[in-house]
Amino acid sequence: AQTVTQSQPEMSVQEAETVTLSCTYDTSESDYYLFWYKQPPSRQMILVIRQEAYKQQNATENRFSVNFQKAAKSFSLKISDSQLGDAAMYFCAYLTGTASKLTFGTGTRLQVTL
Amino acid sequence: GAVVSQHPSWVICKSGTSVKIECRSLDFQATTMFWYRQFPKQSLMLMATSNEGSKATYEQGVEKDKFLINHASLTLSTLTVTSAHPEDSSFYICSARESLRHGYTFGSGTRLTVV
Repeated sequence: AQTVTQSQPEMSVQEAETVTLSCTYDTSESDYYLFWYKQPPSRQMILVIRQEAYKQQNATENRFSVNFQKAAKSFSLKISDSQLGDAAMYFCAYLTGTASKLTFGTGTRLQVTL
Repeated sequence: GAVVSQHPSWVICKSGTSVKIECRSLDFQATTMFWYRQFPKQSLMLMATSNEGSKATYEQGVEKDKFLINHASLTLSTLTVTSAHPEDSSFYICSARESLRHGYTFGSGTRLTVV
């Protein structure tokens, strides 16, 4: 069974600084997708960034980028120039090409301080 | 982008009554939708996969007679919590997938409080 592990229950970053959230996963599949979702206090799940496993290039979306290490099964999220609006729960998620169910990690709560 | 609408956003009901939550894909067809439950400060727990025109697939430990799922059209899935009790109080979220590479779009969630 696939598992997703987020080892940091909480993280804190100062405004304008950079923070990295960790995620590791376990799978025997070769074709899969990885996602980071953000859940602010409103509890709306928002897609932050996605990565296809077959792509070696790390995905980037403005201030958000990932460090995808396929051999190590690691998928960390880097947030640059952190803003107060980045404060939220962040969930790492995994999806295989054959299955349809997302598997979520336990989440990391990010605080952004002035 | 894909939009999933979920209603109501919050509901309070008396113990023993039933509550229906709707999940609609607004600009795409979704043959499959998913229902999650989220306890405070925890991750999303998949309850069931809703399949258009067929029976839902429930995750282990989820009571199918308590959480009735209907997916009658390509844009609408409903979750009915039957004979609700205070322990059913939770945050329920639906999601649908526009395409495999785009991942899932989530509804805004429903906060259910059973008193």
